[in-house]
This record gives sequence, structure tokens and C-alpha cells, in this order.
Amino acid sequence: DTEVTQTPKHLVMGMTNKKSLKCEQHMGHRAMYWYKQKAKKPPELMFVYSYEKLSINESVPSRFSPECPNSSLLNLHLHALQPEDSALYLCASSQDRTSGSYEQYFGPGTRLTVT
Amino acid sequence: KNQVEQSPQSLIILEGKNCTLQCNYTVSPFSNLRWYKQDTGRGPVSLTIMTFSENTKSNGRYTATLDADTKQSSLHITASQLSDSASYICVVSARTSSASKIIFGSGTRLSIRP
Repeated sequence: DTEVTQTPKHLVMGMTNKKSLKCEQHMGHRAMYWYKQKAKKPPELMFVYSYEKLSINESVPSRFSPECPNSSLLNLHLHALQPEDSALYLCASSQDRTSGSYEQYFGPGTRLTVT
Repeated sequence: KNQVEQSPQSLIILEGKNCTLQCNYTVSPFSNLRWYKQDTGRGPVSLTIMTFSENTKSNGRYTATLDADTKQSSLHITASQLSDSASYICVVSARTSSASKIIFGSGTRLSIRP
């Protein structure tokens, strides 16, 4: 199984809502990532979890809160978002962050619209 | 500064034709270079991955080359199909003894016309 799954596929939320994005992989990967991608732009790294611990936070606003309950799951909790946060949110995983020519596997993404 | 630059930004070709996409990078210390294909609204899918010692790697109609001396890579697509319409992203990894850093190019948007 070389698949990273993400739910939901689409999400529309108001600026006062609280919602969560979910990501799951069963490849035994120990590094998981959240990216934000705006239209016609490359993905921008938000967070990296390594062995279930947050190792990188790319100065992301606190209205985005990541969580890694176990080695297979990664969540992104959303609260009080702004319309400019509307984007495609991608989850990825890799074997780890230091081994050889590790490869990232991406999920299909969650299309988020903030109204 | 670690950078990955891709050209052209966009490209339109007729179905059945070949094309070549370019990627130049200034990433150190270099670990590997990957080409991804991303359909609109979907996650990127890996096409090829190359390390320092590899000059060329193929995946069906996709052939990637790497010149580590000039820090250039290309992705050649032969006999293009309508399904090749997508963004192609060059991603370069830098690796130290403790961690890796991934730098994305801005991508080339390829459109195949019938």
C-alpha cells in the first residue's frame, strides 16, 4: 500500500467554524508533512512531524494546529480561518527525514474554501 | 540561497509531439532531484527520482536527465498524450547529517492540444 489518504476531499467553512483535516498512511513512514498550495503555485511547507513529534513549524499562524495521534495519522485543526486561507491542503509522508534518497508520497489533498 | 527554477512557466504542444522541461537548481548539499506530475486539484505524483551519481532515468514516456556539474535537470516527454496535461514540478532535496530540506520549483504548466 503506497497510498496517502486525506479526508474530506472538499471543505467549506465559515470564519467562526472549527474543523479538522485528516491524513492517514500505512506505509510505516515516520515523517509526515502538511503543505498549503494556492492556485498555480508550488506547495508551501507548513509543518513536519518526525517520529510523531513536531520538528518543523514554518511560522504558521496559530489558527492552524497540527496533531499527530500516532505514526499513521496526521490531523490539521482549523479555527477562525480567514478567506485567504482558502487553498489546497496536501499531506505527504516519507520514510523519515534523514535516510538516503527518501521519497515523499502525497495525498490527493483537501480543497478548503473559507467564506 | 537554495533555489529551484523551472522553465518554461507554461507550454502548449500538439498531441503526439515531444517536449522538454528544464530545471536549474542552486541547492547544497545536494541529495536528490525529483520530478512530480500534478493534475489540477490533485496531489503531486512522483515520476522519477535521481541521486548525484545518476545521469538519466526513465519512466515510460518520461525521461529525466541530471547534470550535477551544471546543476541542471530536464524532463523529456515523448509522444505526448492528452492525459499529460498537468503541472510538472521539480523538487530538489538538500541533506545534512541531521535533517533534509526540500525545495520546490514553481512548476511548468503543460497543455496538450488534440
